[in-house]
Amino acid sequence: KNEVEQSPQNLTAQEGEFITINCSYSVGISALHWLQQHPGGGIVSLFMLSSGKKKHGRLIATINIQEKHSSLHITASHPRDSAVYICAVKDGETSGSRLTFGEGTQLTVNP
Amino acid sequence: DAGITQSPRHKVTETGTPVTLRCHQTENHRYMYWYRQDPGHGLRLIHYSYGVKDTDKGEVSDGYSVSRSKTEDFLLTLESATSSQTSVYFCAISESLARSYTFGSGTRLTVV
Repeated sequence: KNEVEQSPQNLTAQEGEFITINCSYSVGISALHWLQQHPGGGIVSLFMLSSGKKKHGRLIATINIQEKHSSLHITASHPRDSAVYICAVKDGETSGSRLTFGEGTQLTVNP
Repeated sequence: DAGITQSPRHKVTETGTPVTLRCHQTENHRYMYWYRQDPGHGLRLIHYSYGVKDTDKGEVSDGYSVSRSKTEDFLLTLESATSSQTSVYFCAISESLARSYTFGSGTRLTVV
């Protein structure tokens, strides 16, 4: 079992729909990251959070430390949101701390 | 994007040849990382650096070496490339352990 599991693996939505991507992890963490990878391949950091909720524009990320679960929500989805969304967890705050990545969720938003 | 560039962007090389990938940053960030991305796997850490001449292994370090002789450059070397090292390689930087990461655009390496 992977330490970081994302669901769904693939998601197709119509423009305007509310989207949720889930991330579950099995290890203790110091922080959780959400990343976006566009078809061109570049990876952009969306959020880093260790508790509660963060919002940036139409994107909202939440985390429940007790349940070891995080969600990424996209409101009023748009075709330009089509990308792979990757969850990653960090296991500590030392130099040896590492990010463990999920395999990603491929999101396609159709006009 | 932030000042991080990878070179080359694409490379095709033959089995058994040495290959060096370069990651260059202009952000003066302390931490630098090399990852590889393969279908069916999440990004996996190859090596990382926590300062000039300070490096350590990641989870998939076999067959790779790194060097960091100055803050801005982190080099990844495949001493003798194998087909299993065909992958997309990403460099990332971080100002501190509590900060987010900035990723380079990736290098697509094909070993034939």
